[in-house]
Parts: sequence; structure tokens; C-alpha cells
Amino acid sequence: DQQVKQNSPSLSVQEGRISILNCDYTNSMFDYFLWYKKYPAEGPTFLISISSIKDKNEDGRFTVFLNKSAKHLSLHIVPSQPGDSAVYFCAASARDTGNQFYFGTGTSLTVIP
Amino acid sequence: KAGVTQTPRYLIKTRGQQVTLSCSPISGHRSVSWYQQTPGQGLQFLFEYFSETQRNKGNFPGRFSGRQFSNSRSEMNVSTLELGDSALYLCASSISGTGYGYTFGSGTRLTVV
Repeated sequence: DQQVKQNSPSLSVQEGRISILNCDYTNSMFDYFLWYKKYPAEGPTFLISISSIKDKNEDGRFTVFLNKSAKHLSLHIVPSQPGDSAVYFCAASARDTGNQFYFGTGTSLTVIP
Repeated sequence: KAGVTQTPRYLIKTRGQQVTLSCSPISGHRSVSWYQQTPGQGLQFLFEYFSETQRNKGNFPGRFSGRQFSNSRSEMNVSTLELGDSALYLCASSISGTGYGYTFGSGTRLTVV
């Protein structure tokens, strides 16, 4: 049962444009969300997080938006750069599941120069 | 500082065999979590160890087990291997177990033939 879903397996964007990666979740108890980025042959690296008390968190070119009523979060990358080409995973957790994080299946982003 | 080290990087085993994977966390990190990554399933949580105790467990059969040593190094064991166990196994360490503090290793690619 996939509690965190990334319905777009891949996304291509022109360099300089905005990349929008989407993530949906089903468990209303989730209260902490993260995005990870993964290059081939490397482990995922933490990118940005947001707690359920906020609806937006920004870090440089990366912004995460959370819509609790829709159980939806998105990652915006502006402007997109070729080095952003990677697989992006969203993850969620709830206080009552301790330190268990539920990951989506990932979206492969390709930024075209 | 040294990152999370997983050994071996690649492994080929035959159905029915057992395998042990190793993870050395970042110095000072007491929490080690294990994830299985397969195409189409994303990262699935296996278990988390903190100070040599299993603190949380995902929904995997009992063939999957782990342990953590006093130096925080962790091992994961899979007995009676099945073809479906072929996957990338990722280890993540953190100081306390919160996902934003995760540092992932590069993983062990297990192929069962």
C-alpha cells in the first residue's frame, strides 16, 4: 500500500525554466515531509523539508509547498539547471510511526541545456 | 568527515542462499535505518536501530533481520533469498533518527539469480 505517491515517473524541463515535481499522500497523520535527490550510483541526499504547521518552505532555488487539505506537496526548482538532473523522492512521516519514513517511487528530472 | 559506508557495493547470490550486508554510519550517529529500493516501489523501510536496539520495523518478512553493534555499525541479513529480493539496499544514518538528518550510503546492489 503506497502511502506516498509520485505519479510522474519522469519530467523534462528546459534550463532556466521552472521544474515542478508533485507528490500526493494518503495518510492524514503525516506531519513532516522531505524531498531527497538521488544521482546514479549514489545514495539519496536531503534537499528540503516542511512540517505540517507550514504551507511553504524556501531554500535558495528550491521551494516546497504543502496543501494539507489536498494531501499534496510540490517541489519547485527555479531556475532549473542541468546539474539538477536526478531522481527526486518525496518522503513523509507521522509522529506515531516514530522514525519510519514513507517514500514515493521517485520522479526522474532531466534539465535540457 | 567520512560518510556512510556500505559494503559490499555489489553482490550476486543464488536463490536459497543467505546474505549479510554491512553499514558503517557517520561517526557520532547512533541511528541506522535500512531501506530497500526497487523499480516502481521506491524506498521501502526495513528497520531502524538506535543504540543497538531495533526501534522500528517495516512490513517485511522475518527473513529480513538486522543488528547494530556497540560502535553503531549495523548489519542486515536476508536468509533464504528469493528472486524478488534483488534490489538496492540503502543504509541511512542520523544522530537521532529524524529523516531530515539522514545521510544515506551509496547502497549495496543485490542480485539474486
